[in-house]
Amino acid sequence: EAGVTQSPTHLIKTRGQQATLRCSPISGHTSVYWYQQALGLGLQFLLWYDEGEERNRGNFPPRFSGRQFPNYSSELNVNALELEDSALYLCASSKRQAQDTQYFGPGTRLTVL
Amino acid sequence: QKEVEQNSGPLSVPEGAIASLNCTYSDRGSQSFFWYRQYSGKSPELIMSIYSNGDKEDGRFTAQLNKASQYVSLLIRDSQPSDSATYLCAVNSGGYQKVTFGIGTKLQVIP
Repeated sequence: EAGVTQSPTHLIKTRGQQATLRCSPISGHTSVYWYQQALGLGLQFLLWYDEGEERNRGNFPPRFSGRQFPNYSSELNVNALELEDSALYLCASSKRQAQDTQYFGPGTRLTVL
Repeated sequence: QKEVEQNSGPLSVPEGAIASLNCTYSDRGSQSFFWYRQYSGKSPELIMSIYSNGDKEDGRFTAQLNKASQYVSLLIRDSQPSDSATYLCAVNSGGYQKVTFGIGTKLQVIP
């Protein structure tokens, strides 16, 4: 069974640009979660999508947004990039029946110059 | 603000010893508890989940939960250098409450 996949692996942007990160969950999983992990810091919860709806949102500004598609894949958009947005962005997925048991993808390393 | 606290370490243990990793949480309504392992530069990998008070064993790993004390721990027996990683504690309160992760404890197993 394929795990959670994320693309791209690395992304380099300049300040003020927009970044789009993509995630495909494990087959059969309906929930997708996005986390930010800045260097030396813990996992910070960004967004949670389930069945196409945003279920919960972390303490991040509105320029962090996303969506979930009918096939349960998801996209995270970060507008007006700032230097401090440089981090590893992790996507996780879970089954509807076990939404607390999350499996992580390999992450996208975003660097803002 | 629901919090999960861990000592960031590093925790150094000799090869073959028992490593004990601890985690406390603030939300008494928390229902499920998880331990993840994260190697440097990699994504977190689920090791164990625990839902009820007591011990849960899986191979060399034992998770311990004490809801009255709001405390969850992970014991790693016969520690190996390959166990050197950061161990993340995660806690969920159920429903559409998000899972809250601790900052992680860095474990170093010395050969």
